[in-house]
Amino acid sequence: TQLLEQSPQFLSIQEGENLTVYCNSSSVFSSLQWYRQEPGEGPVLLVTVVTGGEVKKLKRLTFQFGDARKDSSLHITAAQPGDTGLYLCAGGGYGQNFVFGPGTRLSVLP
Amino acid sequence: DARVTQTPRHKVTEMGQEVTMRCQPILGHNTVFWYRQTMMQGLELLAYFRNRAPLDDSGMPKDRFSAEMPDATLATLKIQPSEPRDSAVYFCASGLVKTGTGAYGYTFGSGTRLTVV
Repeated sequence: TQLLEQSPQFLSIQEGENLTVYCNSSSVFSSLQWYRQEPGEGPVLLVTVVTGGEVKKLKRLTFQFGDARKDSSLHITAAQPGDTGLYLCAGGGYGQNFVFGPGTRLSVLP
Repeated sequence: DARVTQTPRHKVTEMGQEVTMRCQPILGHNTVFWYRQTMMQGLELLAYFRNRAPLDDSGMPKDRFSAEMPDATLATLKIQPSEPRDSAVYFCASGLVKTGTGAYGYTFGSGTRLTVV
């Protein structure tokens, strides 16, 4: 069974601070995705990474896929209150089930 | 923007009643998932379909849950009989998965919040 772990579980920071959240597994994934979920809505896809060592940037968000394709990180620079939400990583591929981690709940205080 | 539509958004029902949740995936997407989300368990995969064929429903309690795709524009999830422990938010997601690739993304609906009393 493929499992994804995320850390930290909760994170509360002040506006303007930087932060990094992590997604780890003992399994190799052919692709890994990050989603953000806001209350009352479904998760929204932020990025997909597929190549070991790959780095993708989305404005103030930087995503990295580990060389062995077992882990990933999300770094947010100068966090804003609008970044508040539940950040979920998910892994899978064509021949794999698609599984989600438990999420990191981020709160950015003004 | 194309979206996944789920109905109803909210459902309150009594224990023992049948519940049917519906999902309209994005046109052209070949993969549809059903997930259940609770605070305790997070997002749990219940079932998924590719090209309308069920690929995995091992996450569903077989005695009470059933998932179908009668056509490419409709996926349904039924619970009969419903129990209080089924209370959760149920999400449908769709995406286009191409043979031999791992790169894809899924679009989620807004969910059905089910409360069984």
